[in-house]
Amino acid sequence: DSGVTQTPKHLITATGQRVTLRCSPRSGDLSVYWYQQSLDQGLQFLIQYYNGEERAKGNILERFSAQQFPDLHSELNLSSLELGDSALYFCASSRGAGPYEQYFGPGTRLTVT
Amino acid sequence: DAKTTQPNSMESNEEEPVHLPCNHSTISGTDYIHWYRQLPSQGPEYVIHGLTSNVNNRMASLAIAEDRKSSTLILHRATLRDAAVYYCILSQGGSEKLVFGKGTKLTVNP
Repeated sequence: DSGVTQTPKHLITATGQRVTLRCSPRSGDLSVYWYQQSLDQGLQFLIQYYNGEERAKGNILERFSAQQFPDLHSELNLSSLELGDSALYFCASSRGAGPYEQYFGPGTRLTVT
Repeated sequence: DAKTTQPNSMESNEEEPVHLPCNHSTISGTDYIHWYRQLPSQGPEYVIHGLTSNVNNRMASLAIAEDRKSSTLILHRATLRDAAVYYCILSQGGSEKLVFGKGTKLTVNP
């Protein structure tokens, strides 16, 4: 158990819909990261927040957005969903801004039908 | 993002040491070398990381070549639980994002 929690575990929704994935970091961790893992693209970095502020952006689509709240939990919002958005979405957290180890949650499996 | 090259797959026997190689010839002076692994149906798991010197922790050892163009992850006694995909990743100085490649799929035979 990494100490990072993600909800929900599974999500099935239809194309065009909007969903919110939630992540609670390990106690004391200030950085939260979101990654997407699909069969064809592998594991891809989406976005990082550090202490409430966006710190780095990766291959995140404009239809996707994220935020980190004052209690440090984070949400990833996915809108206008397409079949290709079906993937595992992982959240990770680390101590702060720096080359610290990242602890990954169990992931949310999103299926778009 | 600096690139790493790893073998697609490796096999080992239980209770034997495993040396997983990684080439990173374009590494720059501030790039950290990270290793993560992903067991089936789980999220990635941190293994070890280092900058210039060799590193040891309870899970593994990281041996970094003197010119830093390659590194080796050493599992001292493989167990069946070590069967996973192992990723060697470089993080550029000042960046915490991890850019995952395809990794090495390690099979451990009983």
